[in-house]
Amino acid sequence: DTAVSQTPKYLVTQMGNDKSIKCEQNLGHDTMYWYKQDSKKFLKIMFSYNNKELIINETVPNRFSPKSPDKAHLNLHINSLELGDSAVYFCASSGQGVHYEQYFGPGTRLTVT
Amino acid sequence: AQTVTQSQPEMSVQEAETVTLSCTYDTSESDYYLFWYKQPPSRQMILVIRQEAYKQQNATENRFSVNFQKAAKSFSLKISDSQLGDAAMYFCAYRIPFGNEKLTFGTGTRLTIIP
Repeated sequence: DTAVSQTPKYLVTQMGNDKSIKCEQNLGHDTMYWYKQDSKKFLKIMFSYNNKELIINETVPNRFSPKSPDKAHLNLHINSLELGDSAVYFCASSGQGVHYEQYFGPGTRLTVT
Repeated sequence: AQTVTQSQPEMSVQEAETVTLSCTYDTSESDYYLFWYKQPPSRQMILVIRQEAYKQQNATENRFSVNFQKAAKSFSLKISDSQLGDAAMYFCAYRIPFGNEKLTFGTGTRLTIIP
C-alpha cells in the first residue's frame, strides 16, 4: 500500500493555465505539507496543514492555494501558471509525538511551457 | 532562522568502501531533530536516519550511521560498505520538535558509487 500518493506524477501545461495536484496519505497522520524542489534540487516548505487547519504559509505567491478537505488529503491548486513555477512538488505527512518523521510522496514534476 | 549547510556538492566512493557526508546547522534551540534523506534518480525522498538532539548516542541504521556533535552543530552521515544502490542525492534536514514544524533542508550532496 502506498503511504503518501500524489497525482499526477507529471504535469505539462502552458503559461496562464490553472492546475491542481492531489495528495492523499493513508498513514493516519494529522499533518500534511507541500514542499517545492527547484531546478537546483533545493527543497523548501510551502504550506502545512494540521487536521484541515492551515499552520504554515511560507512566502508563496497567492496564486498557490492549498485545500484540505479532510486530514488525509491536501491538494494544491495553482492559478495563472508561470514559467518559474516549473519544479517538483512534494507532498509529505507526519504524525505526533514519536511519529514525527515526515514521509514524502513520489513528487509531481510540473513543467510550464 | 535555522540554516543547514552541506559543503560537499558532490562526493564519490568506490563500491564497498566507506564515505562520510558532512552537514552543519545553525540554531539557537536546545532541542531539535536532525535527519538524512536520500533521493535516488526516481526522485522519491527516502528517510535514511534520524537523530534527536537530546540523545548523546549516535543513531545507526544498518550500514548508515551518524556522527552527531551538538556543540559543533555538526551532523555527518557515514555509509559503510557502499553499494551501487546508494548512489543518490543526500539531504540533511533539521526541524524543531514543537508542534508540526517544517523541515529545513541543506542543498544536498550528490553521491556517486564507482564500481
